[in-house]
Amino acid sequence: DQQVKQNSPSLSVQEGRISILNCDYTNSMFDYFLWYKKYPAEGPTFLISISSIKDKNEDGRFTVFLNKSAKHLSLHIVPSQPGDSAVYFCAASRTSGSRLTFGEGTQLTVNP
Amino acid sequence: NAGVTQTPKFRVLKTGQSMTLLCAQDMNHEYMYWYRQDPGMGLRLIHYSVGEGTTAKGEVPDGYNVSRLKKQNFLLGLESAAPSQTSVYFCASRRPPGSYGYTFGSGTRLTVV
Repeated sequence: DQQVKQNSPSLSVQEGRISILNCDYTNSMFDYFLWYKKYPAEGPTFLISISSIKDKNEDGRFTVFLNKSAKHLSLHIVPSQPGDSAVYFCAASRTSGSRLTFGEGTQLTVNP
Repeated sequence: NAGVTQTPKFRVLKTGQSMTLLCAQDMNHEYMYWYRQDPGMGLRLIHYSVGEGTTAKGEVPDGYNVSRLKKQNFLLGLESAAPSQTSVYFCASRRPPGSYGYTFGSGTRLTVV
């Protein structure tokens, strides 16, 4: 049972445009959500997070939106840069929980 | 400050052989995790530990054992390797509670032939 799903294995955008990565979850107990970024031959690194008491969180070019009723979150990158090319993982947790559940990942390619 | 260090970085095993993957963190984190990454399946939790001397099963624990004898180290063992265990293994750690950002190691690429 995949509780966190990223339905798009890959996404390609032009430099300067917006990248939108999507994530859906099924467990209504999840109340904290994160995005991780992973370059080849490296471990994932934390990018941005959002608590279920919010519907938006911004950090520079990165914004995460949360729609609790739809159990959906998205990561917006504006403007996209070639250095953003990486695999992006969505993850979810319960505030009282001790572990994260990850999605399958989306390979983002930003073309110059 | 090294963060999370995994050894070895690469290994090729024959079916039936055993090995231990070592994870070491120098951040005094309580929680440690072992994940495996496979194409199209994301990161799946194998085992985790919420403190020295404790371990718990994750989503895919079969075929693996773990030990957390020291707070800074988390060992993942394969007693009898199988081709299905060919994967990239990541260790991670974090401080609880209310701290959700994991620090990951750079991974161990394991091939079982």
